[in-house]
Amino acid sequence: EPEVTQTPSHQVTQMGQEVILRCVPISNHLYFYWYRQILGQKVEFLVSFYNNEISEKSEIFDDQFSVERPDGSNFTLKIRSTKLEDSAMYFCASQDGFREKLFFGSGTQLSVL
Amino acid sequence: SQQGEEDPQALSIQEGENATMNCSYKTSINNLQWYRQNSGRGLVHLILIRSNEREKHSGRLRVTLDTSKKSSSLLITASRAADTASYFCATDGAAGNKLTFGGGTRVLVKP
Repeated sequence: EPEVTQTPSHQVTQMGQEVILRCVPISNHLYFYWYRQILGQKVEFLVSFYNNEISEKSEIFDDQFSVERPDGSNFTLKIRSTKLEDSAMYFCASQDGFREKLFFGSGTQLSVL
Repeated sequence: SQQGEEDPQALSIQEGENATMNCSYKTSINNLQWYRQNSGRGLVHLILIRSNEREKHSGRLRVTLDTSKKSSSLLITASRAADTASYFCATDGAAGNKLTFGGGTRVLVKP
């Protein structure tokens, strides 16, 4: 079965540094998402992306965050200046149709020191 | 409570027993989905039930939806040790496509 791939699986960074989390969604999917999960807590929506633009974003997704789909295959999440509270597992997901099931990647564990 | 809250938060059963978990939500939905997460891994879609459906089956899984009570249940029959995981319900909204996840039910199936 096709899958969503995320790299790296683990990322350690210093507070204030920029990080880019990478995702390769399933190739014919149309909708793309980033979610995050702080250890032991619920999965939180960050942003959705469709037709090369953000379709919806949460309050968490402030000016420090940005997303790009630069080449039609990769989907990236950039955190411009990381904070300690950005430490979490970040999941990318893709979807082939409106209101259909999501396919999740295995996640990137981000640790901000 | 927030959209998509599961109950109980944790469940411990013996292999072969059934596991039932519930999800409540607050706003109108188009569909409700259940996902499974093994520790430290990504979420895997289990089943999607639309707002005009009342019950759905997939293998050992049975999902019900009661839109009048804004609640859903997931039943895992004849549980196995490999069913040990966290289970999340997720709802969409009246508009838009994003899914909002609940806090999950941690299920431990003891061999």
